[in-house]
Amino acid sequence: GIQVEQSPPDLILQEGANSTLRCNFSDSVNNLQWFHQNPWGQLINLFYIPSGTKQNGRLSATTVATERYSLLYISSSQTTDSGVYFCAVGSSGSARQLTFGSGTQLTVLP
Amino acid sequence: DTAVSQTPKYLVTQMGNDKSIKCEQNLGHDTMYWYKQDSKKFLKIMFSYNNKELIINETVPNRFSPKSPDKAHLNLHINSLELGDSAVYFCASSQDGRTNLFFGSGTQLSVL
Repeated sequence: GIQVEQSPPDLILQEGANSTLRCNFSDSVNNLQWFHQNPWGQLINLFYIPSGTKQNGRLSATTVATERYSLLYISSSQTTDSGVYFCAVGSSGSARQLTFGSGTQLTVLP
Repeated sequence: DTAVSQTPKYLVTQMGNDKSIKCEQNLGHDTMYWYKQDSKKFLKIMFSYNNKELIINETVPNRFSPKSPDKAHLNLHINSLELGDSAVYFCASSQDGRTNLFFGSGTQLSVL
């Protein structure tokens, strides 16, 4: 099946800093999503982005499907951004069956 | 209004018992899922239903049985619970399986 690798596994930032999270995948995809799991365990959908670029406030994401990677940018980070960020992909043959990466644990210090 | 709601939030039980987790979505989606998150936070799909029809059935022990009475509900029944079943179980839904996936708040299952 498709492989998903996220980097870095852990990231510690001071409030106000910017960061870039990366997701590499091993096959062509037609479904790619980014999620944030907050410290209380809630999983929140950030982006549906199988290709192209999207922005939502301080967050933006870019997927370059031909090169098999996606990036999540967080600008002016806040303590509420802390948590685990997951990338999940669905291959061309099974878009519904999302495979999740192992996540990036982000800690934003005040 | 909660978009995807699942109950109970916590479930503590003894080995060998049978338990159920219920899930309901009010988003009008046609596809619902069960995911399992282990202690290392790894998320893996277990089942998916589209309009009450089972479309994804991963390698899960047959002690786990999903049931979808209608497209807004997907329940998970677990027989003969084992220690290794302890995890957080998430229900989720999407439209056509190709749009944003929305998760419920999770059920923390602890088998003693």
